[in-house]
Amino acid sequence: EVQLVESGGGLVQPGGSLRLSCAASGFTFSSYYMQWARQAPGKGLVWISRIYKDGSGTNYADSVKGRFTISRDNAKNTLYLQMNSLSAEDTAVYYCARESPQRGDYYFDYWGQGTLVTVSS
Amino acid sequence: EIVMTQSPATLSVSPGERATLSCRASQTVSSKLAWYQQKPGQAPRLLIYGASTRATGIPARFSGSGSGTEFTLTISSLQSEDFAVYYCQQYNNWPLTFGGGTKVEIK
Repeated sequence: EVQLVESGGGLVQPGGSLRLSCAASGFTFSSYYMQWARQAPGKGLVWISRIYKDGSGTNYADSVKGRFTISRDNAKNTLYLQMNSLSAEDTAVYYCARESPQRGDYYFDYWGQGTLVTVSS
Repeated sequence: EIVMTQSPATLSVSPGERATLSCRASQTVSSKLAWYQQKPGQAPRLLIYGASTRATGIPARFSGSGSGTEFTLTISSLQSEDFAVYYCQQYNNWPLTFGGGTKVEIK
């Protein structure tokens, strides 16, 4: 069974940093592109980042480019999101998701349960 | 950036009735369109990809159609577990973008 379990969320002050983790199991982690998306309270879904299978390439939404860094450790089956210079607009539930295995099909076939990040003083 | 617009924002339907949800793209996305279901406090679940292909384990009452800029998700006979928020997502262009969602509520 595919499982994605996020952790690392919490309350952080504006300007602060946080690192999220996503532990993957039930599939060959190194064979999949992985993604992060977020959802502000009461709002819709927003894609924020993607990483290649081997970590050699990354993509970011403009809203987080230069502040967030996606990475992965295939030996530990874990995806990360390092978030710096956080502001109130970054308050959201952060989801990790597995990208479809079909080449060129960038939809999410499995999602984690999410971890809440609250940016507030 | 491709803007995805879903309508209506809220759909009130009685159990057993048909629900038709719409998703419009600001420019063509070919058939690179997915639908997700999200229940309160839960992660999204993939329903449809490629505009019309049901994901593994998704009941046949869910169907998707359309291509280009106009897409539809139809739930043929609503069950109690189908009351949720539904999102469309295009994956033809970067950045990937989602619609604002349609909430399907009990009438």
